[in-house]
Amino acid sequence: DTEVTQTPKHLVMGMTNKKSLKCEQHMGHRAMYWYKQKAKKPPELMFVYSYEKLSINESVPSRFSPECPNSSLLNLHLHALQPEDSALYLCASSQRPGTGNEAFFGQGTRLTVV
Amino acid sequence: DAKTTQPNSMESNEEEPVHLPCNHSTISGTDYIHWYRQLPSQGPEYVIHGLTSNVNNRMASLAIAEDRKSSTLILHRATLRDAAVYYCILRDGNNAGNMLTFGGGTRLMVKP
Repeated sequence: DTEVTQTPKHLVMGMTNKKSLKCEQHMGHRAMYWYKQKAKKPPELMFVYSYEKLSINESVPSRFSPECPNSSLLNLHLHALQPEDSALYLCASSQRPGTGNEAFFGQGTRLTVV
Repeated sequence: DAKTTQPNSMESNEEEPVHLPCNHSTISGTDYIHWYRQLPSQGPEYVIHGLTSNVNNRMASLAIAEDRKSSTLILHRATLRDAAVYYCILRDGNNAGNMLTFGGGTRLMVKP
């Protein structure tokens, strides 16, 4: 199984809603990532988890709250988002940190904030 | 992080080879050279990576300059399905967080 599964595929939420994005992998990878991608732009790194601990936060606003409950799951909790937060949110994983190994990406969650 | 420079776009004819260049003049000794591609409406997909030697796999070949300051992704016979944005990324093999930072990429268009 070389898949990274993201749910939901599409999400529409209001600015006062609370929602969560989920990401799952069963490859035994110990590094997991969240990216944000706006239309016609490259993915931008948001967070990196290394052995279930947050190792990098790229100055992301607190309305985005990541969580890594175990080595297979990664969540992104959303609260009080703005319309400009509408984007494709991508999850990725790779083998233990500190290697040059390839990363595997999910198909993303397309988020629309209304 | 060391940066990469790629042309914004390239065009190729179907069934012809494609050479996608990438410059990374500030590469460090522990940086791996990775290539990913992103098809429309999909997540990025790993293509190939290498450290010093040229690499081949079922998708492509990676040619790395002797001084490692540039590399070329080679698609041997482009198909319409290869139309995508191709990203060249440097990945630090020593970095505990192991960041994967995307640059602008090259949009490859394949003509029938």
